Amino acid sequence: AQSVAQPEDQVNVAEGNPLTVKCTYSVSGNPYLFWYVQYPNRGLQFLLKYITGDNLVKGSYGFEAEFNKSQTSFHLKKPSALVSDSALYFCAVRDTGNNRKLIWGLGTSLAVNP
Amino acid sequence: KAGVTQTPRYLIKTRGQQVTLSCSPISGHRSVSWYQQTPGQGLQFLFEYFSETQRNKGNFPGRFSGRQFSNSRSEMNVSTLELGDSALYLCASTTYQAATTDTQYFGPGTRLTVL
Repeated sequence: AQSVAQPEDQVNVAEGNPLTVKCTYSVSGNPYLFWYVQYPNRGLQFLLKYITGDNLVKGSYGFEAEFNKSQTSFHLKKPSALVSDSALYFCAVRDTGNNRKLIWGLGTSLAVNP
Repeated sequence: KAGVTQTPRYLIKTRGQQVTLSCSPISGHRSVSWYQQTPGQGLQFLFEYFSETQRNKGNFPGRFSGRQFSNSRSEMNVSTLELGDSALYLCASTTYQAATTDTQYFGPGTRLTVL
């Protein structure tokens, strides 16, 4: 069965430092991977996705993610964190077969300290 | 282009009542999916609609139902509410042009509290 794991419930980083939010996946077939961000009392905002091609995917707000097939990982990164990046981050993988639903990790809370 | 809109934003109901939530997709998007988000279970897929037909369904009891109208707007209904139904209900829309690679865009959600 397809699954996504976000091994860290919370990540703390100082403003200006690089940040990484980890995601690993398990899927049969080609993985289609997504990152979303959720601010308090808001819906989910799309950041980026990996479909095929270049392993480094660039997305919104300066975020990027690195796809690593051998390690089945899709870590989210940003070179220099902002306080405004503090939010809940979700990794998701598209289910295979006829069901197109997204399968979600449980989320990682990112806190960027001034 | 306007984003996905959901109404109402907040609802308070009591056990045993029923509730209807509404979702208007991005203009031109024809597929609508619904998710339930709770702190303990995270995001769980409810169902997906395209062209007024339910295409996919998650593992929720029959108390959860939905429909889609010809203008792609969608509603979901929960009957005989239980305390455990308290959650944030999110709606997402896509163009449905590509089965597995298209991006889902989410609305702000409806926060349902069952007392």
